[in-house]
Amino acid sequence: NAGVTQTPKFRILKIGQSMTLQCTQDMNHNYMYWYRQDPGMGLKLIYYSVGAGITDKGEVPNGYNVSRSTTEDFPLRLELAAPSQTSVYFCASSYSVASGSSAQIRFYFGPGTRLTVL
Amino acid sequence: AQSVAQPEDQVNVAEGNPLTVKCTYSVSGNPYLFWYVQYPNRGLQFLLKYITGDNLVKGSYGFEAEFNKSQTSFHLKKPSALVSDSALYFCAVRGDRGFKTIFGAGTRLFVKA
Repeated sequence: NAGVTQTPKFRILKIGQSMTLQCTQDMNHNYMYWYRQDPGMGLKLIYYSVGAGITDKGEVPNGYNVSRSTTEDFPLRLELAAPSQTSVYFCASSYSVASGSSAQIRFYFGPGTRLTVL
Repeated sequence: AQSVAQPEDQVNVAEGNPLTVKCTYSVSGNPYLFWYVQYPNRGLQFLLKYITGDNLVKGSYGFEAEFNKSQTSFHLKKPSALVSDSALYFCAVRGDRGFKTIFGAGTRLFVKA
């Protein structure tokens, strides 16, 4: 298994440009997430999805859009890039077996995408 | 509202000494709690989780964490720190009725030789 893969690894955008950050997982996980990591701010949840066709907003969704047409893919779209979106973006996936001590709930993170908006 | 607090930006400890990285949380329902570690220029790695059962949870690299329901805390501990433990540590929480997982701001651990 490749796990969670993200492309690109690095990107520089000009203000107002748009781009899509790709995220793919090959573990058949239902849940997928996008986080951004700013220095000293930890990880902030942008959007998440609990299955194909289902997405929901996280803590900081403004300026972003997502789609989940397949279980494997969860792309993040920036329509009008702004300097405030300069950050490192992490995609993650997880699965959840029925409740109890055997619950298998943990994140598998991608390697991250470092985005700079100038 | 769901939240995680890591009150210390940085923790300094000498090699061989015990370490504690603090985490408190707020969530509806029963908590699912996690610790992740991030080494420089690398992604996040899972350390351990608490779902239910024993309050003391053992994880990777000799780390353990203690769940305290009355204090809504989930502090990360290690009996003897190594220089290689120096990294950024994140606590995370999710409620048992939801899907959102919220992370704390992170605590940077420095272990001095």
